[in-house]
Formats: sequence, C-alpha cells, structure tokens
Amino acid sequence: GENVEQHPSTLSVQEGDSAVIKCTYSDSASNYFPWYKQELGKRPQLIIDIRSNVGEKKDQRIAVTLNKTAKHFSLHITETQPEDSAVYFCAASLANQAGTALIFGKGTTLSVSS
Amino acid sequence: GAVVSQHPSRVICKSGTSVKIECRSLDFQATTMFWYRQFPKQSLMLMATSNEGSKATYEQGVEKDKFLINHASLTLSTLTVTSAHPEDSSFYICSAPKVARSYNEQFFGPGTRLTVL
Repeated sequence: GENVEQHPSTLSVQEGDSAVIKCTYSDSASNYFPWYKQELGKRPQLIIDIRSNVGEKKDQRIAVTLNKTAKHFSLHITETQPEDSAVYFCAASLANQAGTALIFGKGTTLSVSS
Repeated sequence: GAVVSQHPSRVICKSGTSVKIECRSLDFQATTMFWYRQFPKQSLMLMATSNEGSKATYEQGVEKDKFLINHASLTLSTLTVTSAHPEDSSFYICSAPKVARSYNEQFFGPGTRLTVL
C-alpha cells in the first residue's frame, strides 16, 4: 500500500520568511496530492492540492510542486505570517470514480514567530 | 463545496460501554466514506473504508469486531466503538469524497473527541 513520508516534523521560521515542507510517496499509481492545515481539535482544512498531470500549482502565498519521477512533492509558503502557525499534513491517494482514501504523512508543526 | 457533519462532537464514556458516532454528508451522496483516527500530536490514520450497502474494509491492525461500521444510506455512515477502553480514547474523523471526473476531493467531518474513563 501507499506510504507517505513527511519532513521536517517541526519547522520554526521568522515572520516574512519562507517555509518548505517535503513529502515522498511510495505508490507510483497515486495521482492526487493534497495539503492540509490542521488547528488543534479541528478538522483538516485543504489549502492546496495537485494532480499528477501538473508539475506546479500556486495560490497566492502557497505553492506546491510535484516530481512524479522522484515521487516527491513539496509545499512552499512565502511571506509567512503568525496565523500560518499550525500542523500541516501532506497526503496521497489514487483519485478515481470510486473515491479512495487519503494516506497522510506524519505532519509538520510550523511555528511562525513575529 | 460540500458539507460533512459528525455527531457527537465530544463523548465521554465508561470503560466497557459502546459508543456510536455518526457521519453524514449533508448536500451530496457518498457511496464511500472513510474513518480516520488521530491520537494527540499524531497524524490521521485510516481505520476503514465504509461502503454503502456492503461490508466495510478495515485496515491492517484494526479490529473489525471492535469498530463496527454501518453505511446504511448514501448519506450516513456510523462507527460504533464496542466495549471501549481508555486506549480507544482518540479523535475520530470521517471523510467523504465528492467524485467528479477523475478528481475526488475529500470532505472531512468536524471530528468526534472520544474519552474513555
């Protein structure tokens, strides 16, 4: 089955700096890679996702890159703000008509200090 | 977007009792729903896949007789934790995919915090 590795487990940056979180996956059939932000006690919130037919996607300060050959994808947050502080999870799945489960990485705790 | 609800949001029970958690897709039909468990400071771990009208599929290491799943309609899946023990205390979250073409975004319920005394 799919296995997703995520690094680093914790990341501390100064406000305004960039933050990068990296994930690798094992199943070459996976074709959908979302990133979630989770605050304590809340449900995961989708912040950006990418499908395997795209190498990069950007939404304002957030971008995701995907390297299918190497089976890794990364989240980039620029101009970080204190409100970006949270736990971030990457995930992988095989998107199809039946719907398949997400397999999550272990998470990265991002702390942005002002 | 799409909305998934869960009930209850919090439950405290005594060891040995059973607890039922409901997951509903409010504005779309979901033939498949997923149940995850999240221990403090850990990731979401897939427990089982709930299939409408058929048996659930459990992940390795998850006891199907302890975590009973029923997906009786296209909008409702239930997870019953039977004979709960303190080690079952966790945050349980369901999700449902809204399938469109080859792209299915998952919609998560708000989660249920289970505390077993």
